[in-house]
Amino acid sequence: QVQLEQSGAEMKNPGASVKISCKASTYTFSTDFFHWVRQAPGQGPEWMGVMNLDTGEKRSAQKFQGRVTLARDTSTRTLYLEVSSLTSDDTALYYCTTDYAVIWGQGTMVTVSS
Amino acid sequence: DVVMTQSPLSLPVTLGQPASFSCRSSQSLLYTDGVTSLSWFHQRPGQSPRRLIYEVSRRDSGVPDRFSGSGSDTDFTLTISRVEAEDVGFYYCLQYTRWPYTFGQGTKLEI
Repeated sequence: QVQLEQSGAEMKNPGASVKISCKASTYTFSTDFFHWVRQAPGQGPEWMGVMNLDTGEKRSAQKFQGRVTLARDTSTRTLYLEVSSLTSDDTALYYCTTDYAVIWGQGTMVTVSS
Repeated sequence: DVVMTQSPLSLPVTLGQPASFSCRSSQSLLYTDGVTSLSWFHQRPGQSPRRLIYEVSRRDSGVPDRFSGSGSDTDFTLTISRVEAEDVGFYYCLQYTRWPYTFGQGTKLEI
């Protein structure tokens, strides 16, 4: 079964960028699409975008377009989410998940504060 | 974007009693292939969400049969037949019929 291991917590100043990684341990899932979802404190989850680890096909929610970059490293089966121009509203737990949200990473806490 | 509205926001229940969660979508979730892409998740404090139900009523492997999903088009329900202590936490619905995927704001189950 696929396991998703995410990078550690980050603290950033407003205006900075953050890059989070998500390593997919094995390839035993039906599709190679992986999604990014974030959850602000006390809020419900919010879908950010999706990337195909094999083809590089990607799509992000319009709300984040221009500020979010999705990338991958096929040799290590690692996906990346970069968010730029951070504000306090970006303080959240960021998750990667398999297609259909079956398996989730442990989450990466990003705190934006001066 | 499809707006997912859950109710109630908080649901106090007694152990052993049933619980019912509502999720309504602003647009039909029935796709042209006949599939309705609506899932339910459970999240305990400090944990990642866990998928319970997909395609409205299909239970994930390992999910107790006291959990069931129903509904169609824009109106969906998750039911717990007999609540157990481990069921506390938040429940979210997710639609993945239309881009961007959207979650409901959640219902907190309290005992």
